[in-house]
Amino acid sequence: QVQMVESGGGVVQPGGSLRLSCVASGFTFSSYALHWVRQAPGKGLEWVTSTSYDGSDKDYADSVKGRFTISRDNSKNTLFLQMNSLRREDTALYYCARSPRKTTVTIRFDQWGQGTLVTVSS
Amino acid sequence: DIQMTQSPSSLSASVGDRVTITCRASQSISGFLSWYQQKPGNAPKLLIYAASTLQSGVPSRFSGSGSGTDFTLTITSLQPEDFATYYCQQSYNSPVTFGPGTKVDIK
Repeated sequence: QVQMVESGGGVVQPGGSLRLSCVASGFTFSSYALHWVRQAPGKGLEWVTSTSYDGSDKDYADSVKGRFTISRDNSKNTLFLQMNSLRREDTALYYCARSPRKTTVTIRFDQWGQGTLVTVSS
Repeated sequence: DIQMTQSPSSLSASVGDRVTITCRASQSISGFLSWYQQKPGNAPKLLIYAASTLQSGVPSRFSGSGSGTDFTLTITSLQPEDFATYYCQQSYNSPVTFGPGTKVDIK
């Protein structure tokens, strides 16, 4: 069955960096667009970033543009999120998610990981 | 950005009740609307996409309707496992945006 497992979360000071990973199994990783969606404690869902099936197309929310970078390694079935210049408002549970198509257009999220918690605090 | 609103923000219902949740977009999104269910401590789960298409494995008591700016999620006979928070999400254009959620709890 489909599994997506995030890791790399933790506590980091404002201005710091963190790299999240999401290892997937149970599907042909290289055929799907992938995404990061976050949820601040007690709050709703916020889309963060997307990458196409081959990594050639990427999209970012304005709130993270220039600070976060999404990438993928299709040989290792792994999705990454490099987060730099972290702010307190980036504190959230970060989910990796899949959409059932190759591109980042008209996406819905049909599979989700369980999330990894990022806390930005001094 | 397209703003999504939901009503009500919360509701209390009993097992067996018919429940309707409304989602409204700030501009027309055609039928590019999905619904998710999230239980405490769990990731969201896709219920419905393209406004009215039931995701595989989702019980038929869930249904969706609407187009343009106004959409509804209906649960025809609420079951104990349906108590959760429900989110709508538009994918008409980037950035995709979610509604603020509707919490359904036990009366």
